[in-house]
Amino acid sequence: DIQMTQSPSSMSASLGDRVTITCQASQDIGNNLIWFQQKPGKSPRPMIYYATNLANGVPSRFSGSRSGSDYSLTISSLESEDMADYHCLQYKQYPYTFGAGTKLELK
Amino acid sequence: EVQLVESGGGLVQPGRSLKLSCAASGFTFSNYYMAWVRQAPKKGLEWVATISTSGSRTYYPDSVKGRFTISRDNAKSSLYLQMNSLKSEDTATYYCARAGVAAISWFAYWGQGTLVTVSS
Repeated sequence: DIQMTQSPSSMSASLGDRVTITCQASQDIGNNLIWFQQKPGKSPRPMIYYATNLANGVPSRFSGSRSGSDYSLTISSLESEDMADYHCLQYKQYPYTFGAGTKLELK
Repeated sequence: EVQLVESGGGLVQPGRSLKLSCAASGFTFSNYYMAWVRQAPKKGLEWVATISTSGSRTYYPDSVKGRFTISRDNAKSSLYLQMNSLKSEDTATYYCARAGVAAISWFAYWGQGTLVTVSS
């Protein structure tokens, strides 16, 4: 199975900060990676698909990138509505596997 | 508008069975792979099952293989998850998700989830 190592597990940042969350894949997944945002009591919302593509309705301050087996979600200028949990998912092969999640909080 | 509405969750004793349902609307259900994803309380997400458009192919992780069965009724635009031999570690919110038109595709739409609690 492909392991997705997500970091950090939690972080606090200030409004306007640039924030980066990373997932490292244990095997080649190409660009078959998606980032989800999840707020308390809500279902996950796709933010970035195929590693770098912005999902419908997602603000342009969000972006995704890839460097080898490392995949990053970046928020260029943090806003209060961005406080949430973030999860990565590889969908290159079954079993699909998620990262452990990152809790983003306001400093 | 795509809508996915799960039902069937509740409290169940260890070793017993439960069947979840997901009613889909707003898209041509038979054209899409469908999946179940779960989230234990205060934990991360775990993929549970995927089914092909016709229902002829199914995929499971080892953690539920042999105990859970995903199925669909395209005429009713409905997805199901039959869960047998339930364990305490199956306690989670179960989400229905719409994938794409191919076996390898991502989850673009999610339901609101239904909570399953396995406890005596």
